[in-house]
Amino acid sequence: TQLLEQSPQFLSIQEGENLTVYCNSSSVFSSLQWYRQEPGEGPVLLVTVVTGGEVKKLKRLTFQFGDARKDSSLHITAAQPGDTGLYLCAGAIPGSARQLTFGSGTQLTVLP
Amino acid sequence: ETGVTQSPTHLIKTRGQQVTLRCSSQSGHNTVSWYQQALGQGPQFIFQYYREEENGRGNFPPRFSGLQFPNYSSELNVNALELDDSALYLCASSLKGSYGYTFGSGTRLTVV
Repeated sequence: TQLLEQSPQFLSIQEGENLTVYCNSSSVFSSLQWYRQEPGEGPVLLVTVVTGGEVKKLKRLTFQFGDARKDSSLHITAAQPGDTGLYLCAGAIPGSARQLTFGSGTQLTVLP
Repeated sequence: ETGVTQSPTHLIKTRGQQVTLRCSSQSGHNTVSWYQQALGQGPQFIFQYYREEENGRGNFPPRFSGLQFPNYSSELNVNALELDDSALYLCASSLKGSYGYTFGSGTRLTVV
């Protein structure tokens, strides 16, 4: 069984602070995705990283895929209350028709 | 462009009953996946369908079954419901070979 461990599980910060969420595994993934999920909704895709060492930026969000394609991080600069939500990483298992293995998520709360 | 729609949004069933959940894929998407998300957890892969055939399956018993129709809509059927089947069931559609997944808002199933 391939597992993705996310940390921290919960994070509560003040508006304007920076934060980093980590996603780690002992397994190699062909790609890794980050999603954000709000209560009562399905996950919404933020980014897909495919190449080891790849860095992608989406406004104040920076995503990095580890060189060995086993881990990833999400960094948010100057967090805003609108960033509040459940952040999920999901790895695609090589040769599995893009079946996704999800981490357990990081619940982020940004206080005004 | 329409998104992924799921029905019903909420459902209460009694242990031992059977349930059918429905999903309408995003226009142009030919692959559909189903995930189970327990409270406080990340989604877990149930199975994936492509061209009306099962194209991958997670660690779920045979009482979880599915169908994909020629118009790419899909059903998830669960027989002999157990209390632990209570969860949010998510449908995700994609174009085979692409990395992008679009999730529906899910069906919240409660088994009593």
